[in-house]
Amino acid sequence: DTGVSQDPRHKITKRGQNVTFRCDPISEHNRLYWYRQTLGQGPEFLTYFQNEAQLEKSRLLSDRFSAERPKGSFSTLEIQRTEQGDSAMYLCASSFQRGPSTGELFFGEGSRLTVL
Amino acid sequence: DAKTTQPPSMDCAEGRAANLPCNHSTISGNEYVYWYRQIHSQGPQYIIHGLKNNETNEMASLIITEDRKSSTLILPHATLRDTAVYYCIVRVGGAQKLVFGQGTRLTINP
Repeated sequence: DTGVSQDPRHKITKRGQNVTFRCDPISEHNRLYWYRQTLGQGPEFLTYFQNEAQLEKSRLLSDRFSAERPKGSFSTLEIQRTEQGDSAMYLCASSFQRGPSTGELFFGEGSRLTVL
Repeated sequence: DAKTTQPPSMDCAEGRAANLPCNHSTISGNEYVYWYRQIHSQGPQYIIHGLKNNETNEMASLIITEDRKSSTLILPHATLRDTAVYYCIVRVGGAQKLVFGQGTRLTINP
């Protein structure tokens, strides 16, 4: 399977614990995105990388959230001191962007977080 | 990115054409119209996009009005597997991100 891969698919944690999600994008895709989706809502943008550089962060990304893409390949999204409001599906997407090309996003299956 | 307006839900009979409308009256000249869909418990899936000409691929057709203020996604022969939330998004080509709205929940009935 050469699609976007996310791990774990499901995570249940207690409030106050830290969690980390991993995303492996499609090979050679230079852009990687993180979105969050709660029940009944459309995905909300969190942040994106161009290669290893984090170029934009949403105001939704509080200081408890940190994302990295150390070598411009896989990415991690860490949530520290989780709160019940962090319960959501965390979606990763990747695209190949060159110049003004439209660069469709390819999404993974998501990582579902439940904070008890 | 311009805002879009979509009906919250629609129904369509299996085997019939599903026509999903989208209004984007404030679209700019350099913004594309994208359609994605999200089947339950899966990530969004790209369907099609266009700038001003009508587009067709193996999944769907996209009809954009001449003034570009609205568009229609057409699934020519809907199947039960097309039941999903469909998102219409306008985006500058090469822009950093997609901004999702609420979408249209399409239910295909047997």
